[in-house]
Amino acid sequence: DAGVIQSPRHEVTEMGQEVTLRCKPISGHDYLFWYRQTMMRGLELLIYFNNNVPIDDSGMPEDRFSAKMPNASFSTLKIQPSEPRDSAVYFCASAREGDVLTFGAGSRLTVL
Amino acid sequence: AQSVTQLGSHVSVSEGALVLLRCNYSSSVPPYLFWYVQYPNQGLQLLLKYTTGATLVKGINGFEAEFKKSETSFHLTKPSAHMSDAAEYFCAVSELSNTGKLIFGQGTTLQVKP
Repeated sequence: DAGVIQSPRHEVTEMGQEVTLRCKPISGHDYLFWYRQTMMRGLELLIYFNNNVPIDDSGMPEDRFSAKMPNASFSTLKIQPSEPRDSAVYFCASAREGDVLTFGAGSRLTVL
Repeated sequence: AQSVTQLGSHVSVSEGALVLLRCNYSSSVPPYLFWYVQYPNQGLQLLLKYTTGATLVKGINGFEAEFKKSETSFHLTKPSAHMSDAAEYFCAVSELSNTGKLIFGQGTTLQVKP
């Protein structure tokens, strides 16, 4: 298995631009999580899905952030417009019911 | 509400010495507890977990942790540090199950000196 695949691995963009981060979960996993990691706030859960349905989005910072999971094998996290304070590493993780999370390698976002 | 506190953002040990990384949690229900390790520029990898049963849990790479309910602690230990153990370590708690909303501590960076 290739594991959880995230793209891009690195993204540098300018303030105001739209950013789209992508995640392909492990096949057969019905849970998908988006986490953000910063020096100041550590690892924060942004949102998670079960069977493609958003279950808890209370961690999404504000309306500039949105996440979708159109099918079991793909999810996106979009930031529009991006701001410098969005600079972070964004992790996607997936899991089967009752099993532990498997994390992707992360997408490092820098907003100038 | 759940929370996790990791005591010490940086821990430095000599190669071959005991590793002790401290974690205390707060949970209103019996918790599921986890330790993850993160190597530079990589994602998080599960070291070990506690759900129910035996309170001493063994994980990968010689690490183990003990769940102490009376102390609300889940400290991570390894008898003898190896250079390859240098990484960042995260303690996490979940109330729901293995699969659910993980609340992470701030992380502890382990440095191993030759």
